[in-house]
Amino acid sequence: KAGVTQTPRYLIKTRGQQVTLSCSPISGHRSVSWYQQTPGQGLQFLFEYFSETQRNKGNFPGRFSGRQFSNSRSEMNVSTLELGDSALYLCASSSWRGGPTDTQYFGPGTRLTVL
Amino acid sequence: DQQVKQNSPSLSVQEGRISILNCDYTNSMFDYFLWYKKYPAEGPTFLISISSIKDKNEDGRFTVFLNKSAKHLSLHIVPSQPGDSAVYFCAASGNQFYFGTGTSLTVIP
Repeated sequence: KAGVTQTPRYLIKTRGQQVTLSCSPISGHRSVSWYQQTPGQGLQFLFEYFSETQRNKGNFPGRFSGRQFSNSRSEMNVSTLELGDSALYLCASSSWRGGPTDTQYFGPGTRLTVL
Repeated sequence: DQQVKQNSPSLSVQEGRISILNCDYTNSMFDYFLWYKKYPAEGPTFLISISSIKDKNEDGRFTVFLNKSAKHLSLHIVPSQPGDSAVYFCAASGNQFYFGTGTSLTVIP
């Protein structure tokens, strides 16, 4: 079974621009979560989508948004980029959210650099 | 507010010895805990988990211990191998997953 894929793998943008990142979950998985990883901050939860609905949201400004399509693929968008948005953005999929065996499987991430 | 904390950013261990990675959490409502391992340029991969109804779970060289009263969990790797060198994240499951900041383990041959 193919793993979680994320595109693009690397991205360079300038301040004020916007960016869209894409994530394709493992086939059959309906839950997709997004995380931001920065040095010293670990993985910070952005949001989770399940069956095209946002179920949970972390403490990020409204510049960060996402959506999920009917095939479970997900996109996240960051508008008006700031230097502090430079990070590794990770997507994780799981089959069901809430059960004790609900393991998340991560993609390789998109490395975003904001200049 | 960091609900899951890994206070040691790095750890070095000789090959063949035991590696002990620690994690503390603040929310007593967490009922499921996981450890992930991350190599550079890759996403985290699931390693081992433990439910709050247990205090120990073993999988080969990896054992996770949970002390609910202390809100503390630890990952033991015995024996440590050079291929174990990676960043290890602990996570707790509530309404979302909460991750620690990671511990970089280096196993010296």
